[in-house]
Amino acid sequence: EAGVVQSPRYKIIEKKQPVAFWCNPISGHNTLYWYLQNLGQGPELLIRYENEEAVDDSQLPKDRFSAERLKGVDSTLKIQPAELGDSAVYLCASSLAAGLALNEQFFGPGTRLTVL
Amino acid sequence: AQSVTQPDIHITVSEGASLELRCNYSYGATPYLFWYVQSPGQGLQLLLKYLSGDTLVQGIKGFEAEFKRSQSSFNLRKPSVHWSDAAEYFCAVGSRYALNFGKGTSLLVTP
Repeated sequence: EAGVVQSPRYKIIEKKQPVAFWCNPISGHNTLYWYLQNLGQGPELLIRYENEEAVDDSQLPKDRFSAERLKGVDSTLKIQPAELGDSAVYLCASSLAAGLALNEQFFGPGTRLTVL
Repeated sequence: AQSVTQPDIHITVSEGASLELRCNYSYGATPYLFWYVQSPGQGLQLLLKYLSGDTLVQGIKGFEAEFKRSQSSFNLRKPSVHWSDAAEYFCAVGSRYALNFGKGTSLLVTP
C-alpha cells in the first residue's frame, strides 16, 4: 500500500515568489493534515481537513497561506508571496478519520522549502 | 494549554547499550501521549501511544514507554540500541484531534 505522497521533495525559490506543495493521502483516508516543521522543532499543525472541509485552520497564516482539498482526496498548500522565514519542511499527514484515539496519523516525507 | 518538553536535544549511545529518552508534558486532563521517530528523508512514524489503562506501553522496533502521572512524564526506553535507531525522536501530547509535538531529541548511535 502506498503511503502519503508529497511533491516536490525540495523547492528553492526567491522571496516574494509563490510556491505550492501537493499531497496525496493514503487511499480511503478522509482526514488530511498539513504541518510546518521548522529546523530543530517539532511539527506544528497548520490545517486539518475532514473530507473537503477545513475544520481547523486556526494556525494557518491566512494573509499569505492558502490550502485546498477540492474533491476530498489530494490537497495543495500554497504560499504567496513567500518570505525568508517560510523556509522549513512542510509535512502532510492523513488518517482514516479525525479522532486521535482510534486513528493513526501517517506522515509523508515532506517538502523542504528554501526561500532565498 | 497542552505542551511537551523534551529536555535532551542530542543523545549519544553506544550500540547495544540501553536508551531512555525523556518527555514531560503539561495538560489539564489525562492526555493521549505518543512517540514518533523521524529518519532522514522519511516521514514521521508512530512508535507507540498511551491512551489509557496500563501505564507501560509496548511499541514497534522493541521500544516501550511508561506513563507516570505523578511526574507528568512519558519516557521512551529500549534495552539494546541498534545503529539503525539513529534518528530524531518526537514526543507528542494530544487532545481529541490535535497533536502537539516536542522539539525532538536527536539520537546518535556509536559503534
